[in-house]
Amino acid sequence: DTAVSQTPKYLVTQMGNDKSIKCEQNLGHDTMYWYKQDSKKFLKIMFSYNNKELIINETVPNRFSPKSPDKAHLNLHINSLELGDSAVYFCASSHGGQGHLGQFFGPGTRLTVL
Amino acid sequence: DQQVKQNSPSLSVQEGRISILNCDYTNSMFDYFLWYKKYPAEGPTFLISISSIKDKNEDGRFTVFLNKSAKHLSLHIVPSQPGDSAVYFCAALTSGGNTGKLIFGQGTTLQVKP
Repeated sequence: DTAVSQTPKYLVTQMGNDKSIKCEQNLGHDTMYWYKQDSKKFLKIMFSYNNKELIINETVPNRFSPKSPDKAHLNLHINSLELGDSAVYFCASSHGGQGHLGQFFGPGTRLTVL
Repeated sequence: DQQVKQNSPSLSVQEGRISILNCDYTNSMFDYFLWYKKYPAEGPTFLISISSIKDKNEDGRFTVFLNKSAKHLSLHIVPSQPGDSAVYFCAALTSGGNTGKLIFGQGTTLQVKP
């Protein structure tokens, strides 16, 4: 009964490939997020969706395309992977407008681009 | 531009003593401040938050203090336990509608020695 789940947990791929990371939450939240934790351990927001609508889109290359088929899912597709995309990607969810109650994070997906 | 900073990368304390983790911020428009705890290979877990209109919030062994004039907050853990050993992230929230954008510090690794 994991609250926020991500698949896969580890992803190793070659430069230039296209890959997807899936995220699902069973908390009944209406807002979902993608964060990137780089090699310096900084956690930075990439995208936020509320009720399947894109709310936050930080300065992220358009090779990254989030897709939210419903409120419980937010997937991340990455085209033409580059070495600099290697990082840990975290999905999170919360009730919209109640971020002060905490966003709930998934376990992360460690992406390694060779 | 690092709006949230945790200047101590690591902290080591003895079990039973107080742990004090510090965080500084630059943007006076933040609405809430949150602390997250992260174990290796897991996602961050929400610990405690404080509204920008308050100066203290307590939850069990965890207390967060906010000094708005100094743009500084701290997390006190009393008494510290070995299970508290983890990376602690300070985060600031810019709310307003459904954005819920969290800006994280770079984290402080706490080690509690038995």
